[in-house]
Amino acid sequence: KAGVTQTPRYLIKTRGQQVTLSCSPISGHRSVSWYQQTPGQGLQFLFEYFSETQRNKGNFPGRFSGRQFSNSRSEMNVSTLELGDSALYLCASSLDGDTGELFFGEGSRLTVL
Amino acid sequence: QKEVEQNSGPLSVPEGAIASLNCTYSDRGSQSFFWYRQYSGKSPELIMSIYSNGDKEDGRFTAQLNKASQYVSLLIRDSQPSDSATYLCAVRGAGGTSYGKLTFGQGTILTVHP
Repeated sequence: KAGVTQTPRYLIKTRGQQVTLSCSPISGHRSVSWYQQTPGQGLQFLFEYFSETQRNKGNFPGRFSGRQFSNSRSEMNVSTLELGDSALYLCASSLDGDTGELFFGEGSRLTVL
Repeated sequence: QKEVEQNSGPLSVPEGAIASLNCTYSDRGSQSFFWYRQYSGKSPELIMSIYSNGDKEDGRFTAQLNKASQYVSLLIRDSQPSDSATYLCAVRGAGGTSYGKLTFGQGTILTVHP
């Protein structure tokens, strides 16, 4: 059974640019959550999608957005990148998002210069 | 006060010893508690979940929960060098606002030396 797949794994952007990250959940999983991980703040929740609907959102500015497609694949977008957006962005899938049993992808490491 | 706090590390134990990892949380309404392990350069993986007060054992791992004290712990018996990793305590609140959302502690770095 394939795990959670995230692309790209690494990317470098400059301030002001925008970036789109992609996540394919485990087959049959309908919930996709996104987390940001930094050395200073640890793992922080961004948002969760289920059946193409955002059901939950963390305390991040509106520059951070996401969506989910009918096949459960999800994308997140960060616009007007700032240096502080440099982080590991982790996607996690679960059957229905109603437990804390999440399966994480390997992450997309974003560096903003 | 942070929502989820873990004992400061790093924690170093000899091979074969018991490693004890602790976590406290602030939200009394929290319903579900998890321990994730994250190896260096890898993503977190779930190793234990606990929902009721008391102990839950899974192989060399025992999770303990005390909701009255708002305390969760993880014991690793017969620690092995392969257990060296960062251990993340995660808490899920109650209700619909918790879909997909876990609140994580900062993590405790565990090193098991031969």
